[in-house]
Amino acid sequence: AQSVTQLGSHVSVSEGALVLLRCNYSSSVPPYLFWYVQYPNQGLQLLLKYTTGATLVKGINGFEAEFKKSETSFHLTKPSAHMSDAAEYFCAVSDEPGGATNKLIFGTGTLLAVQP
Amino acid sequence: NAGVTQTPKFRVLKTGQSMTLLCAQDMNHEYMYWYRQDPGMGLRLIHYSVGEGTTAKGEVPDGYNVSRLKKQNFLLGLESAAPSQTSVYFCASTRAGRRDEQYFGPGTRLTVT
Repeated sequence: AQSVTQLGSHVSVSEGALVLLRCNYSSSVPPYLFWYVQYPNQGLQLLLKYTTGATLVKGINGFEAEFKKSETSFHLTKPSAHMSDAAEYFCAVSDEPGGATNKLIFGTGTLLAVQP
Repeated sequence: NAGVTQTPKFRVLKTGQSMTLLCAQDMNHEYMYWYRQDPGMGLRLIHYSVGEGTTAKGEVPDGYNVSRLKKQNFLLGLESAAPSQTSVYFCASTRAGRRDEQYFGPGTRLTVT
């Protein structure tokens, strides 16, 4: 069965430092992968997604992620953290060819704190 | 476009009471979903629907019922609320047949005492 593992439920970085949030997945078919961000008391919004093609994906707010099939990973990075990046981040996988239901499997989330 | 909206935003129920959460989307999406979010557990799928008049169970369906009478609306019902159903509930929608991202509503925070 497909699954998503996010290592580190809490990550703290200093403003201006590199952000690295880890995501590993298991999938029986070529996966589609997503990163969502959730700001306090809000719904989830899409940061970026990988479908096919280029393995380095750029998203909103300066975030990017690289799909590494050999490592079954899709880690999220941002070169320089900003205070406004403080939020919870969720990795998700869709491994359902044809999109019969478009169900997503979510990781348990990583709460990012940014220290001044 | 309002996207995905949810009503109410907050609700407090006593054990045994019933309620219905409403999700509406104006994007003409075929597929809709109900999730619950609990600390440290991510989002877990309760029920979903791939079209008007059809629903299916997700990962944690017990204690919930759903209906999709209109394409744009997806209702989540709790017939007899329990404290274990205290959670934040999110609705989402997406297009059919494509492995697209899901679009989320702002959530409903439910407390059962």
